[in-house]
Amino acid sequence: AQRVTQPEKLLSVFKGAPVELKCNYSYSGSPELFWYVQYSRQRLQLLLRHISRESIKGFTADLNKGETSFHLKKPFAQEEDSAMYYCALSGWAAGNKLTFGGGTRVLVKP
Amino acid sequence: NAGVTQTPKFQVLKTGQSMTLQCAQDMNHNSMYWYRQDPGMGLRLIYYSASEGTTDKGEVPNGYNVSRLNKREFSLRLESAAPSQTSVYFCASDRPEGGYTFGSGTRLTVV
Repeated sequence: AQRVTQPEKLLSVFKGAPVELKCNYSYSGSPELFWYVQYSRQRLQLLLRHISRESIKGFTADLNKGETSFHLKKPFAQEEDSAMYYCALSGWAAGNKLTFGGGTRVLVKP
Repeated sequence: NAGVTQTPKFQVLKTGQSMTLQCAQDMNHNSMYWYRQDPGMGLRLIYYSASEGTTDKGEVPNGYNVSRLNKREFSLRLESAAPSQTSVYFCASDRPEGGYTFGSGTRLTVV
């Protein structure tokens, strides 16, 4: 069965500091990995998908199949990055349904 | 283009009451999903519908039923609400390019 683990429930950083959100997964096969962001009491929005290999709002994420990880990074955090972040996985073996991690709350302090 | 629309946004129920959460999407997506969001547990899949006329259980289906009325609409029904169903409920539809588009959520409290 597929599983997504986000070990940190809360990350607190100062504005301008780097931030890294960890995501580890288990899946038999080739998964598709996503990062979603949820600003206060709003809907989830797609931030990144590993296939597109793009940078959104300064965030990047690299899929490391050897370590089964998909960590999200930003070199200089901004106050507007304060939000809830979810790592998610889908794949053919999962019927292409998304499985989410438990989420990491990021708080960027001024 | 409204995307995924959910109603109501907020609801308070008494234990044992029933209600239906409505969801509609205008993007002609085939698959639709209902998730519940609880602190520390992320989002857990309740039910999904891969296409019009089909529905399947997800990870936490007990206490819920669904109806895929047509391609646009996918409703979630609580027949006899329990305090354990206090949660935020999200509807989503499947983007052809991958990932989902989410609705704005329904915050449900069962007292």
